[in-house]
Amino acid sequence: NAGVTQTPKFRVLKTGQSMTLLCAQDMNHEYMYWYRQDPGMGLRLIHYSVGEGTTAKGEVPDGYNVSRLKKQNFLLGLESAAPSQTSVYFCASSYSAGGPYEQYFGPGTRLTVT
Amino acid sequence: KQEVTQIPAALSVPEGENLVLNCSFTDSAIYNLQWFRQDPGKGLTSLLLIQSSQREQTSGRLNASLDKSSGRSTLYIAASQPGDSATYLCAVSLASGGSYIPTFGRGTSLIVHP
Repeated sequence: NAGVTQTPKFRVLKTGQSMTLLCAQDMNHEYMYWYRQDPGMGLRLIHYSVGEGTTAKGEVPDGYNVSRLKKQNFLLGLESAAPSQTSVYFCASSYSAGGPYEQYFGPGTRLTVT
Repeated sequence: KQEVTQIPAALSVPEGENLVLNCSFTDSAIYNLQWFRQDPGKGLTSLLLIQSSQREQTSGRLNASLDKSSGRSTLYIAASQPGDSATYLCAVSLASGGSYIPTFGRGTSLIVHP
């Protein structure tokens, strides 16, 4: 099993450009999450999904959109990138059907917006 | 709202020491608590998961305990090694609301020097 994978690993955008980050998991997990990690701020939840076709806002959803069209994929979109979105983005997944909801993380995407 | 605090924020110890990392949380109605390790520039790796009905979990030199009544968990690392140098994060999931979305602490940065 590959676990949780993220594409791309690195990306540089100019202000106003758009992009999509892809997260894929091969563990048949119901729950998927997008976090951003910034120095001094810890991990902050952007959006999450509790199943195919469902999404919900987390702590810092503004400026981001997500889609979960297939159970194994969770996409994070930036429609008009801003320098404040420079960060490391992590995707995670966890199992449901009674738990234990152990989270597994991807390797991260380092995004720089200039 | 669940708040998770990790103390100390940073720790530097000589090789061979036994050490304890602390995690405290404000809402004791938890579903589970998970300890992670994060190496610089990498994603989070799950170390131990404790269900609310459990008191402790062990894996090799690591032992995690849970005391729901006092809102605390400790991660005990025995005979520390330089390879243990990393940031350690705890995450607490609440049982209420059915969402099981984890709340993360900001982590303890550990350096084990030879």
